[in-house]
Amino acid sequence: GAVVSQHPSRVICKSGTSVKIECRSLDFQATTMFWYRQFPKKSLMLMATSNEGSKATYEQGVEKDKFLINHASLTLSTLTVTSAHPEDSSFYICSARDRGKGYTFGSGTRLTVV
Amino acid sequence: AQSVTQLDSQVPVFEEAPVELRCNYSSSVSVYLFWYVQYPNQGLQLLLKYLSGSTLVKGINGFEAEFNKSQTSFHLRKPSVHISDTAEYFCAVSDQSRTYDKVIFGPGTSLSVIP
Repeated sequence: GAVVSQHPSRVICKSGTSVKIECRSLDFQATTMFWYRQFPKKSLMLMATSNEGSKATYEQGVEKDKFLINHASLTLSTLTVTSAHPEDSSFYICSARDRGKGYTFGSGTRLTVV
Repeated sequence: AQSVTQLDSQVPVFEEAPVELRCNYSSSVSVYLFWYVQYPNQGLQLLLKYLSGSTLVKGINGFEAEFNKSQTSFHLRKPSVHISDTAEYFCAVSDQSRTYDKVIFGPGTSLSVIP
């Protein structure tokens, strides 16, 4: 089946630094990937749609300069949280549309900014 | 735009009892429907999906869901739950007319199976 690998699973960084999260489709090509943010005991909020070879499409209210998305190949999308602050601490999850018209999700990244 | 409602935020149920988790959606277009399960500190696992065809969809771990277009519902059911079913369950929808449309999630239902 379709597999999406997300790395790292956990990261702790200092306030003001940047953190990069990788999302890879291992056995299929993903022209489109999605990035979600999940607050504790809350649902998943779509942040942006990542398109291979073009700019990402951000949802309303999501800061483009804070959350940089790059989709340089058909199997890799990255989310960089720039100048991270404690309020950016959250669970970030990526997903990709697979061949079976389903959406496969990564295992998530727990970001803690101290 | 689509939206998803899960009326029950928490559902406690005794082990081996049946359970139904409710999901209603709102959309002006035809949609794909999904149920995902999330265990603590983990990503999402697809339980089942409705794309077209039979309105009764069977998924993994003994779960099934029925698509009801007139009631715009996609309720999830399991005839006998296990302790290991304790998790967060999300109903989700995407626009059927767009190949790579985003998935919109409901608020989630926390299922707690009581021994």
